[in-house]
Amino acid sequence: GEDVEQSLFLSVREGDSSVINCTYTDSSSTYLYWYKQEPGAGLQLLTYIFSNMDMKQDQRLTVLLNKKDKHLSLRIADTQTGDSAIYFCAKSNDYKLSFGAGTTVTVRA
Amino acid sequence: DAGVIQSPRHEVTEMGQEVTLRCKPISGHDYLFWYRQTMMRGLELLIYFNNNVPIDDSGMPEDRFSAKMPNASFSTLKIQPSEPRDSAVYFCASSSSNYEQYFGPGTRLTVT
Repeated sequence: GEDVEQSLFLSVREGDSSVINCTYTDSSSTYLYWYKQEPGAGLQLLTYIFSNMDMKQDQRLTVLLNKKDKHLSLRIADTQTGDSAIYFCAKSNDYKLSFGAGTTVTVRA
Repeated sequence: DAGVIQSPRHEVTEMGQEVTLRCKPISGHDYLFWYRQTMMRGLELLIYFNNNVPIDDSGMPEDRFSAKMPNASFSTLKIQPSEPRDSAVYFCASSSSNYEQYFGPGTRLTVT
């Protein structure tokens, strides 16, 4: 959707941290999400953050939310080859999710 | 739990034919969503149900598309007649709340 924007590609070395960025236009979103899609598969919910939070950490994943700038990021620590996938940022209004175009993350050895 | 189940996983049909996609949500989930994914338009919400009742179908592209949920464990998305531009991956998702949607593996539809 045009109201959620992401960069299209990210290349990262194995073991390094990945940072995927997302911007959105609607400040009334209740929740913001990160989904992962591997080739030929459905979308896997990785994590989400409530709009009144600034940060959420879950094992190797850290989500940062800057409401003022309408900016969301996902940091993956110690990136592994299994992290190669498309990552989608999404926002919710009521029960409807709007997705960004997805960021293709390639992990190189 | 088996997760969201969709069938068929792949469907190839000719233009003009009727296509029916099927979805079984996660047991206990009272929200069900149908999405479409294409290269050009990305992921789009088509319609969603709450307690088997359609709540918002504003994303349904045109009258050729219809969706039903006759009971809590089954939903269909029908396209009649199908057109080549309907070729896409169709996802079903379910939720028991407004913040965690779980997706099925998708149905890849090709209309020739």
